[in-house]
Amino acid sequence: GENVEQHPSTLSVQEGDSAVIKCTYSDSASNYFPWYKQELGKRPQLIIDIRSNVGEKKDQRIAVTLNKTAKHFSLHITETQPEDSAVYFCAATLDPGNEKLTFGTGTRLTIIP
Amino acid sequence: GAVVSQHPSWVICKSGTSVKIECRSLDFQATTMFWYRQFPKQSLMLMATSNEGSKATYEQGVEKDKFLINHASLTLSTLTVTSAHPEDSSFYICSARRGAGSSYEQYFGPGTRLTVT
Repeated sequence: GENVEQHPSTLSVQEGDSAVIKCTYSDSASNYFPWYKQELGKRPQLIIDIRSNVGEKKDQRIAVTLNKTAKHFSLHITETQPEDSAVYFCAATLDPGNEKLTFGTGTRLTIIP
Repeated sequence: GAVVSQHPSWVICKSGTSVKIECRSLDFQATTMFWYRQFPKQSLMLMATSNEGSKATYEQGVEKDKFLINHASLTLSTLTVTSAHPEDSSFYICSARRGAGSSYEQYFGPGTRLTVT
């Protein structure tokens, strides 16, 4: 089945600097790659997503890039702020037929004021 | 926006009892809902896919007789943990799929923290 690896597991950056989180997936048939932000004890919230027909997508300070050939995608957060501190999960579709998502192991991002 | 609710938000039950968790899509119809389990500091693990009007599809290793799923309408799916044991204590989260075909998104409920004593 699908396997999604996520790195790093923890990341600390100074406020204002950029943060990059990377994921790789195994199933070349995957076609949808969302990123979720989860604060402690709360629900995962969709922050950005990308589909396999697009190489890059940006929404204000957040961007996602996708390299289908290498089967990896990355989350980029610029001008980080304390409220960006959370756990971030990448995910990939395992089966386009029913859109089951396989999640990465998560990255705990800490923004240092 | 797309709002998904879950009830209850937390529950404590005794070992051997059953607990029902509800997942509702409030402002859209969801033909497909998903149930996840998340242990502390771990990722979300898909338990089952719930389809309106049909039987749920369980992931490997998930006991379908222990985790009963019913997707009775386009806005409601329920997960019943039967004969709960302390090892079932976890954070259970549902998600609902909005959209169809290649244009869809999943939105998560707020989760239910189950503690079995």
